[in-house]
Amino acid sequence: AQKVTQAQTEISVVEKEDVTLDCVYETRDTTYYLFWYKQPPSGELVFLIRRNSFDEQNEISGRYSWNFQKSTSSFNFTITASQVVDSAVYFCALSEAPQGAQKLVFGQGTRLTINP
Amino acid sequence: DGGITQSPKYLFRKEGQNVTLSCEQNLNHDAMYWYRQDPGQGLRLIYYSQIVNDFQKGDIAEGYSVSREKKESFPLTVTSAQKNPTAFYLCASSIERGGNQPQHFGDGTRLSIL
Repeated sequence: AQKVTQAQTEISVVEKEDVTLDCVYETRDTTYYLFWYKQPPSGELVFLIRRNSFDEQNEISGRYSWNFQKSTSSFNFTITASQVVDSAVYFCALSEAPQGAQKLVFGQGTRLTINP
Repeated sequence: DGGITQSPKYLFRKEGQNVTLSCEQNLNHDAMYWYRQDPGQGLRLIYYSQIVNDFQKGDIAEGYSVSREKKESFPLTVTSAQKNPTAFYLCASSIERGGNQPQHFGDGTRLSIL
């Protein structure tokens, strides 16, 4: 069975600090997709990144970066020089092979608070 | 602007009452999904639909029902059989039925019991 674990329930840092959100997943499939979503106080989920299981290259997008390591089944998310606007709940999610519907399995989420 | 519209934003249900949450998308997406979010928890899949006139149960379908009569609409009914309906409900859609395209989410409906 698929499972996503975000062990950090809440993280609080001061603005401009770097912060890493951990995500560990379990799946029996060799083909799968990993996602990160941001949920600001308004409630909607905002897509941040998608990574497939065959692409282990790290990705950087501005202040955001993602470290995918199949050897440890982890897909961690780092925010560099954090800002107050980064405050939100962040979800990691897993989807298995693209046959049929995309059934996302979400982690419990990490509430990130950036203090001025 | 293209997107997903959920209504109402807040909804109150009396004991024994069925209520329907609306979800409309103008993204021309084939697949649509309903999730439930409880405080401090991740999202759990209630129902999903890959195509018009077809839908499948997710992980927590008991006490809920859906219909998909039009491509752009996927309403969710919370029936009186759902004993603990208080939660935040999110609707999503994706461009295809496969696993690799991101889902787009609405702003959610917060349901409470009177």
